[in-house]
Amino acid sequence: KAGVTQTPRYLIKTRGQQVTLSCSPISGHRSVSWYQQTPGQGLQFLFEYFSETQRNKGNFPGRFSGRQFSNSRSEMNVSTLELGDSALYLCASSLTTSGSSTDTQYFGPGTRLTVL
Amino acid sequence: GEDVEQSLFLSVREGDSSVINCTYTDSSSTYLYWYKQEPGAGLQLLTYIFSNMDMKQDQRLTVLLNKKDKHLSLRIADTQTGDSAIYFCAVYTGGFKTIFGAGTRLFVKA
Repeated sequence: KAGVTQTPRYLIKTRGQQVTLSCSPISGHRSVSWYQQTPGQGLQFLFEYFSETQRNKGNFPGRFSGRQFSNSRSEMNVSTLELGDSALYLCASSLTTSGSSTDTQYFGPGTRLTVL
Repeated sequence: GEDVEQSLFLSVREGDSSVINCTYTDSSSTYLYWYKQEPGAGLQLLTYIFSNMDMKQDQRLTVLLNKKDKHLSLRIADTQTGDSAIYFCAVYTGGFKTIFGAGTRLFVKA
């Protein structure tokens, strides 16, 4: 069974641009969570989707948005990029919820975004 | 609010035991996890413990939970150079959201 895939793996953008990152969960998984990882802050929760519905959102500005499609694939978008948005963006999928013992989160390799 | 704290670095000699500690603030945490991240890779789930357990052992890994002090630890017996990685403590408190610590970078000296 293929793991969680994220595209692209690397991105370089300039301030003010926007970016869209993609995540394909493991087949059969319906929950997708997004995290931002930076050296100083660790992993920060962005949002979680299940069956195309956002069920929870972290403390990020409205420039960060996401969506989930009917095939459970998910995208996140960041508009008006700032230097501080440079980070590794990780996507994780699970069967149903994002935290029970039987619904382990499987992580993708991440997309490394650099904002110049 | 919810917070998970870990020390940032730990250095051990090959063959010794490693103990990585974590404290959390939300007493309603139900599931507590340990993840491992190797360079250039995503996070891999190592083990988890439910909040009504005190200890869980899985081969070289031992997880201890002190719910009163909100303290979680991961012990790796007979640490090998291949165990060098970043270890994340994470807690699930409900609301489809898992809170992660900043990660502890484990260095294993040969």
